[in-house]
Amino acid sequence: NAGVTQTPKFQVLKTGQSMTLQCAQDMNHEYMSWYRQDPGMGLRLIHYSVGAGITDQGEVPNGYNVSRSTTEDFPLRLLSAAPSQTSVYFCASSYFGASTDTQYFGPGTRLTVL
Amino acid sequence: DAKTTQPPSMDCAEGRAANLPCNHSTISGNEYVYWYRQIHSQGPQYIIHGLKNNETNEMASLIITEDRKSSTLILPHATLRDTAVYYCIDVPGGTSYGKLTFGQGTILTVHP
Repeated sequence: NAGVTQTPKFQVLKTGQSMTLQCAQDMNHEYMSWYRQDPGMGLRLIHYSVGAGITDQGEVPNGYNVSRSTTEDFPLRLLSAAPSQTSVYFCASSYFGASTDTQYFGPGTRLTVL
Repeated sequence: DAKTTQPPSMDCAEGRAANLPCNHSTISGNEYVYWYRQIHSQGPQYIIHGLKNNETNEMASLIITEDRKSSTLILPHATLRDTAVYYCIDVPGGTSYGKLTFGQGTILTVHP
């Protein structure tokens, strides 16, 4: 299993540009999430999904859209990039079973908005 | 906001036990204690979790006080590769549905 994969690893955007960060998992997990991590900070939840066709907002959703058309994929779209969105973005997936909720994280996408 | 509190940083000598504390002042009866760590620039990694009893796995041990207001993660023989940020998180009902609330964590530095 590849686990959770994210592309691209690095991206530089200009203010106002749009782009999609890709996330895929091959573990058949129901739950998928997007977090952002600013320098010296903990991770903050942007959006999450409990299954295909179901998404909801997290703590910092403004400026981002998500959709979940398949169990495997959960792309994050930046609508109009702003310097405040410069951050490291992590995707995660998990499942619930037998009182365990281990989340598996991808390697991250490092985004710089100029 | 995170519901747990942790010291911002700790040091440990290589080969010694690292004991990382966490306060869970608002933990409720059905919330589990989870620990994750984040090695520099990587995604967080699950370490261990528990409800009431002490737990041990191949990575670490978890001690939870009887009132469940505090926990301690123990790395029995710390190595340089254990240098990381460690996060303790309260997870309701054992499942977060993909929603974890991270605090600032504890930066553990293991030195030779």
